Amino acid sequence: EDQVTQSPEALRLQEGESSSLNCSYTVSGLRGLFWYRQDPGKGPEFLFTLYSAGEEKEKERLKATLTKKESFLHITAPKPEDSATYLCAVQNTGANSKLTFGKGITLSVRP
Amino acid sequence: ETGVTQTPRHLVMGMTNKKSLKCEQHLGHNAMYWYKQSAKKPLELMFVYNFKEQTENNSVPSRFSPECPNSSHLFLHLHTLQPEDSALYLCASSQGSGPNQPQHFGDGTRLSIL
Repeated sequence: EDQVTQSPEALRLQEGESSSLNCSYTVSGLRGLFWYRQDPGKGPEFLFTLYSAGEEKEKERLKATLTKKESFLHITAPKPEDSATYLCAVQNTGANSKLTFGKGITLSVRP
Repeated sequence: ETGVTQTPRHLVMGMTNKKSLKCEQHLGHNAMYWYKQSAKKPLELMFVYNFKEQTENNSVPSRFSPECPNSSHLFLHLHTLQPEDSALYLCASSQGSGPNQPQHFGDGTRLSIL
């Protein structure tokens, strides 16, 4: 059974204080690892898909990396508007399209 | 309108009521999904439809009944719900099921069961 564990559960940063969010996973065969951002009262918003170990993707202050066991979402010089819950999900190489999600990491960035 | 639209945004119902949640996607996608999101728990996949055909039912109780009349519309019919069914219900759509076709979510219906 696929599993996704995200840590820490919550993270409070000062504006400009860089940090990383962790997503550890076990999957029979990785088809893709996804990062989403979710704001309060909103649905998850797609950020990145990573396919294989060593891959990196960037978007503004966010950079996602992938190894065979975990993914990191690095946040460089965060701003208050980066405050949100960040969700990680994996899709295995099975025939269906099921995503297995972690519980998410709630990030708060203080001005 | 663009993206994935869900109505209503909030719903309060008694355990004996019957209600329906609606989802509409304007992205031209052919796959649609229902998820349940409860506090402190990961998103749980409920149902998957591809080209109007149900391809996955993730052991969901029969008090939840999905309907997909076409590739743009998805409904979730609710009856005789339990208090533990109170949650945020999210609809998503994608163009196919591969990882290079990510799922796009609506803003959900917040359901409260009295």
